[in-house]
Amino acid sequence: AQKVTQAQTEISVVEKEDVTLDCVYETRDTTYYLFWYKQPPSGELVFLIRRNSFDEQNEISGRYSWNFQKSTSSFNFTITASQVVDSAVYFCALSDNYGQNFVFGPGTRLSVLP
Amino acid sequence: DARVTQTPRHKVTEMGQEVTMRCQPILGHNTVFWYRQTMMQGLELLAYFRNRAPLDDSGMPKDRFSAEMPDATLATLKIQPSEPRDSAVYFCASGPDRPGANVLTFGAGSRLTVL
Repeated sequence: AQKVTQAQTEISVVEKEDVTLDCVYETRDTTYYLFWYKQPPSGELVFLIRRNSFDEQNEISGRYSWNFQKSTSSFNFTITASQVVDSAVYFCALSDNYGQNFVFGPGTRLSVLP
Repeated sequence: DARVTQTPRHKVTEMGQEVTMRCQPILGHNTVFWYRQTMMQGLELLAYFRNRAPLDDSGMPKDRFSAEMPDATLATLKIQPSEPRDSAVYFCASGPDRPGANVLTFGAGSRLTVL
């Protein structure tokens, strides 16, 4: 069975600090996809990034970066120089090759204080 | 921008009443997912469909919940009879099932309160 664990329930940082959100996954598939979604206070779920299991290159997009390590089954998300607008619940998710069996982790609530 | 549309956005009902939530997936998306979000349980997968056929509804309480896709433009989630513990936000999401293109797009959710 597929499973996603986000051990950090809540994190608080002060603006401009860097913060890393952890994600550990379990799957028996050899081909799979990992995702991060953001849920701001307004409630909608916003897609941030997708990685496939064959691409372990780290990715950077502005202040966001993602570290995928197959050896430890982790897909961690770092926000550099955090801002108040980054305050949200962040979900890590896992799907099979065809986008089925799409499972989410419990989420990490990030609060960025001014 | 293509959107997943969910109705109603908010619903308050009394215990025992039937509740139907509707979802219009993005045109061309052939997978549809229903999730329930509560503070205690996070995002729970209730059911998902591929090409309108239910592939997995093991996350759904079968005695009171049912999910269907009458056609490619409509997915429904029905609760009968509703109970206070069903109070939650229900999300619908759709996506293509092509490998490498499987990003789910979520609707805005239906917030259900059962009194």
